[in-house]
Amino acid sequence: QKEVEQDPGPLSVPEGAIVSLNCTYSNSAFQYFMWYRQYSRKGPELLMYTYSSGNKEDGRFTAQVDKSSKYISLFIRDSQPSDSATYLCAMINTNAGKSTFGDGTTLTVKP
Amino acid sequence: DAMVIQNPRYQVTQFGKPVTLSCSQTLNHNVMYWYQQKSSQAPKLLFHYYDKDFNNEADTPDNFQSRRPNTSFCFLDIRSPGLGDAAMYLCATSRDPQTGTVSDTQYFGPGTRLTVL
Repeated sequence: QKEVEQDPGPLSVPEGAIVSLNCTYSNSAFQYFMWYRQYSRKGPELLMYTYSSGNKEDGRFTAQVDKSSKYISLFIRDSQPSDSATYLCAMINTNAGKSTFGDGTTLTVKP
Repeated sequence: DAMVIQNPRYQVTQFGKPVTLSCSQTLNHNVMYWYQQKSSQAPKLLFHYYDKDFNNEADTPDNFQSRRPNTSFCFLDIRSPGLGDAAMYLCATSRDPQTGTVSDTQYFGPGTRLTVL
């Protein structure tokens, strides 16, 4: 069983829709939770990171962490075609000193 | 403005012909990572350097080697590429992951896409 499971997608939504991207994890040692955006043929780009349970907003993006359920989400409001990319969740166990990634969810936002 | 630079962006090699991928960074981060990412899969950590200390993942094949001559540069050597090694290779950097600060997340380069013929 993978330590990090991500909803596989692909996901296709119309422009302006609210998008929900989700990951679950099994390792309680994960302390930091990140979302990366990866455009085709490019390296991942850090979007948001969170530490504690709760919500964190940054513009149209909201990251949500529920440590009790071992569940994290990324919400995108008013989605744009430029949001079309693969979104990777990642988690850090600082004791191990490395990140563990989900497999990614590919999102297409249609104009 | 590029902080993590990878060269070349695209590399074609022949089966069994050694290839070297390079990564440089302007962030002065002490940790550098090499990942292999195949289509629709998570990046898979191959190894990382904590300063000059090399840390190999247990399941990284011996075919993959790395060198870090200084803080700014890191190289990935694939000694005898096989068809299964065709992938995107990502370099990333971070500060000391043991400090526990969130800024120790990783910054990725654009990747090198390797094709093996």
